[in-house]
Amino acid sequence: DGGITQSPKYLFRKEGQNVTLSCEQNLNHDAMYWYRQDPGQGLRLIYYSQIVNDFQKGDIAEGYSVSREKKESFPLTVTSAQKNPTAFYLCASSILRTGAYNEQFFGPGTRLTVL
Amino acid sequence: RKEVEQDPGPFNVPEGATVAFNCTYSNSASQSFFWYRQDCRKEPKLLMSVYSSGNEDGRFTAQLNRASQYISLLIRDSKLSDSATYLCVVNYDNDMRFGAGTRLTVKP
Repeated sequence: DGGITQSPKYLFRKEGQNVTLSCEQNLNHDAMYWYRQDPGQGLRLIYYSQIVNDFQKGDIAEGYSVSREKKESFPLTVTSAQKNPTAFYLCASSILRTGAYNEQFFGPGTRLTVL
Repeated sequence: RKEVEQDPGPFNVPEGATVAFNCTYSNSASQSFFWYRQDCRKEPKLLMSVYSSGNEDGRFTAQLNRASQYISLLIRDSKLSDSATYLCVVNYDNDMRFGAGTRLTVKP
């Protein structure tokens, strides 16, 4: 089965803790993305990576960090510096072709709650 | 001004109705366009891409108007299973911008 997996599905964090969200894909996609979704808002880009060992900040990168050591994996760490981390986190991947219809495929998401 | 704007709804329609959603975007250089469907507490899933000439997939028709910078989605003969949030997505150079979504509820 090809696809994107995220774990855990639900995560509870105490204030001041760092937590890491997992994202793995076996679609052989070059690009991977992390989004955050809050109620009533569109998805907002946190970080993205188009190649192994390289990644770029999105619109709301503050308080987050990522790594891309393998093509298949793009973990996201939510640090204690993120002031309002409670949200639904979505990982996505896509092929890369300039100007073409590079639809993104999403994992099932991780719902993070800060206690 | 938001980059991608949608009427949030909710749209409440009876089974069998025809319903249309519009979406406007601000970047005139946008290259590709999509409609995604998102069920409650689930991930978005691609419904259809939107091509310049307009395209149809069963009961769903998507249109693109580049001059006016808007995209539309028409759903004919609505089913209960069409109840979901529909996200408009606009891409420029692999940078996807998402609308906040339009909520549709189809009632018996």
